[in-house]
Amino acid sequence: DAKTTQPNSMESNEEEPVHLPCNHSTISGTDYIHWYRQLPSQGPEYVIHGLTSNVNNRMASLAIAEDRKSSTLILHRATLRDAAVYYCILRDVGVKNSGGSNYKLTFGKGTLLTVNP
Amino acid sequence: KAGVTQTPRYLIKTRGQQVTLSCSPISGHRSVSWYQQTPGQGLQFLFEYFSETQRNKGNFPGRFSGRQFSNSRSEMNVSTLELGDSALYLCASSLGQGLSNEQFFGPGTRLTVL
Repeated sequence: DAKTTQPNSMESNEEEPVHLPCNHSTISGTDYIHWYRQLPSQGPEYVIHGLTSNVNNRMASLAIAEDRKSSTLILHRATLRDAAVYYCILRDVGVKNSGGSNYKLTFGKGTLLTVNP
Repeated sequence: KAGVTQTPRYLIKTRGQQVTLSCSPISGHRSVSWYQQTPGQGLQFLFEYFSETQRNKGNFPGRFSGRQFSNSRSEMNVSTLELGDSALYLCASSLGQGLSNEQFFGPGTRLTVL
């Protein structure tokens, strides 16, 4: 699986935008970029995903570099509830293991986001 | 719509015992994946089931096994428990088809091996 690199931790103030970077220089053409987050004492939660174009949803925006070697998750106005570990994951939808799946998520260490009141 | 449920939420076992964890996916979801989370190794993929068949497997010893039933519910079993098996075991469900299905995670089962 292609690897991602994220900062170990970031800090933000409440109601300010947060830009969480992710480098994935070995990304392949069939890799989707997924973001999940894990709040304390909970299972991971899907945030957003994209392939080539920038994406927006109610939770966040995903900005993907033109060469796809990096991406940025944008939280437009951070709240205290956004404090979590954010994972940037590449999911290869082009790989099948003799009838196997491509639903495996390979998590890295993620970025611990602290939001200050 | 109810989310992914896992039972039990907490479990304490001793070395050498075996354990079975259960996962009920979101209604209509046919894919169930299992992950192990530890402070040292983070989140690691165990295996994925779709329509009662294991489709993908992570790098874990044969002591870790699973199965899926016709109603998509899944169980994972760990035999001959070791201290290092203490972890949070997470189950995730998805539709199982399509290019970019998101996975919905349950709250996990916290297993402690003494």
